[in-house]
Amino acid sequence: QQQVKQSPQSLIVQKGGISIINCAYENTAFDYFPWYQQFPGKGPALLIAIRPDVSEKKEGRFTISFNKSAKQFSLHIMDSQPGDSATYFCAARATITGTASKLTFGTGTRLQVTL
Amino acid sequence: EAQVTQNPRYLITVTGKKLTVTCSQNMNHEYMSWYRQDPGLGLRQIYYSMNVEVTDKGDVPEGYKVSRKEKRNFPLILESPSPNQTSLYFCASRRQGVTGELFFGEGSRLTVL
Repeated sequence: QQQVKQSPQSLIVQKGGISIINCAYENTAFDYFPWYQQFPGKGPALLIAIRPDVSEKKEGRFTISFNKSAKQFSLHIMDSQPGDSATYFCAARATITGTASKLTFGTGTRLQVTL
Repeated sequence: EAQVTQNPRYLITVTGKKLTVTCSQNMNHEYMSWYRQDPGLGLRQIYYSMNVEVTDKGDVPEGYKVSRKEKRNFPLILESPSPNQTSLYFCASRRQGVTGELFFGEGSRLTVL
């Protein structure tokens, strides 16, 4: 059962365009939503994250939009560059007990930015 | 340099031949975890460890074992590998209580024939 649904599976965007990746969840216990970026041959690395008490977070060209009522969040990459070509994973955290938490990942989106 | 180191990075083996993938982190992190990455399925957690001698199953633990005898090391053991364990494996670590910020190794690509 996929708790975090991510789309699209792959995305091709021209240089300078906007890349948009969407994620949806059902579990209302999720309380932290990070995005990870993975380059070929490397492990994922934290890119940007948001808590559900804000609707948007921006870091440079990367923006997370969060819609708590719809249980959806998305990553927007403005002015996409060939160096942004990577696989992007959304994730959601649920606290289990005390300091124990579990991170559930989406299925990933392979982004290709063309010249 | 802060890092999570996995070995081997690539391995081809045959069904039933026991193997161990090592993972070591130099950040003094309490929490460590193993994931497998498969096309269309994303990252799925195999096992995790909250601290030394404390381990627990993730979402896909069948066919795997782990141990946490030292804080820095968290090996993944495949006692009798099968072809359905062919995958890309990642070890990750983080400080206890730090929300979501996992540090990943570079991955170990395993092929079981």
